Amino acid sequence: GDSVTQMEGPVTLSEEACLTINCTYTATGYPSLFWYVQYPGEGLQLLLKATKADDKGSNKGFEATYRKETTSFHLEKGSVQVSDSAVYFCALSDLGQGAQKLVFGQGTRLTINP
Amino acid sequence: NAGVTQTPKFRILKIGQSMTLQCTQDMNHNYMYWYRQDPGMGLKLIYYSVGAGITDKGEVPNGYNVSRSTTEDFPLRLELAAPSQTSVYFCASSFLDRDDNEKLFFGSGTQLSVL
Repeated sequence: GDSVTQMEGPVTLSEEACLTINCTYTATGYPSLFWYVQYPGEGLQLLLKATKADDKGSNKGFEATYRKETTSFHLEKGSVQVSDSAVYFCALSDLGQGAQKLVFGQGTRLTINP
Repeated sequence: NAGVTQTPKFRILKIGQSMTLQCTQDMNHNYMYWYRQDPGMGLKLIYYSVGAGITDKGEVPNGYNVSRSTTEDFPLRLELAAPSQTSVYFCASSFLDRDDNEKLFFGSGTQLSVL
């Protein structure tokens, strides 16, 4: 079946450092790819998404590019802030399928120190 | 603007006890979901509902029951709690936007320990 593998955490960085959180996937079809973020005490919320190969999703300074050749969707940010401290989840879903078909990675906890 | 509300936030159960995790949403969404997240693992779908009166099993339904008598509420019932049900439980609801993209909203989770 489909699966998502994320970079092991936790990850601790200093403010203004560069961030990359790796995400790779296996899927039989052509999935849509997502990054969700969970801030402390809150529910998961969609950060960005990409629906086809070479698409780049972006939001709040974060970016991720759908790489079909390497089956990857790495999350990047050039300069992180303390407010980016959260748990980040990579996920996939078959195109046109509902959230009942979402497959999540295990999550990566990110802590940014001032 | 409450969104998706889950109660309780934390609970400790003894083996064999039962309990209901509450989930309510005030956005009039038809679709609702229950996920569990075990330590170091991704979220797994337990049950979902596409509207009042309709429920269906997800990937890991054993040991759980749900009901959907209203659009707003989607409670999750554990009848005979087992240590394997120690997990963080997330409820979610969704709607389709004008482009048919599904927008998913999550509650903040319920941390359950079964001892």
